[in-house]
Amino acid sequence: DAKTTQPTSMDCAEGRAANLPCNHSTISGNEYVYWYRQIHSQGPQYIIHGLKNNETNEMASLIITEDRKSSTLILPHATLRDTAVYYCIVRVRNNDMRFGAGTRLTVKP
Amino acid sequence: DSGVTQTPKHLITATGQRVTLRCSPRSGDLSVYWYQQSLDQGLQFLIQYYNGEERAKGNILERFSAQQFPDLHSELNLSSLELGDSALYFCASSVSGTSQETQYFGPGTRLLVL
Repeated sequence: DAKTTQPTSMDCAEGRAANLPCNHSTISGNEYVYWYRQIHSQGPQYIIHGLKNNETNEMASLIITEDRKSSTLILPHATLRDTAVYYCIVRVRNNDMRFGAGTRLTVKP
Repeated sequence: DSGVTQTPKHLITATGQRVTLRCSPRSGDLSVYWYQQSLDQGLQFLIQYYNGEERAKGNILERFSAQQFPDLHSELNLSSLELGDSALYFCASSVSGTSQETQYFGPGTRLLVL
């Protein structure tokens, strides 16, 4: 599976958009980009995933660059409850989902 | 709430002991995954079961074993426990375990070995 690189930490003001970047320059053509988050030692929570096209759901938007070497997770209106560690994962096999260190997002009032 | 349940929530035991962690997947999911999250290692995949059969192994120690029962719940057995086994253990499930399915995680079991 392709390796990902994420910033260690980020801050965001409450009510503003949070944009979390992820680099995956060695991604292969059949690998999807997945985003999960983990709030304070709870189980990781699925957010969104995509292959080539931008995706949006009720939680977030995922923007994948045309060359697929990077992506950005967008939380449009961050709340205090969005404070968590966000993991970007690229994978083709479902049975070896590799979580890196993630980005610790702190939403501040 | 992901629909995946895990028991117990907390477990405290002593070195050398054996414990069993239990997971019930989401209704309709046939595949179960176990992960370990320790402070220094992050989240690591241990093992996957699909419909009662082992499908894949990750970084699972020989002292650890798992099984999935006909009702699809799964148990992770940890034996000869060491201090370093203290961690959060998560179970996840997906419909059939094929490549691009989303895994849904349970709340975890926090194990403390003293």
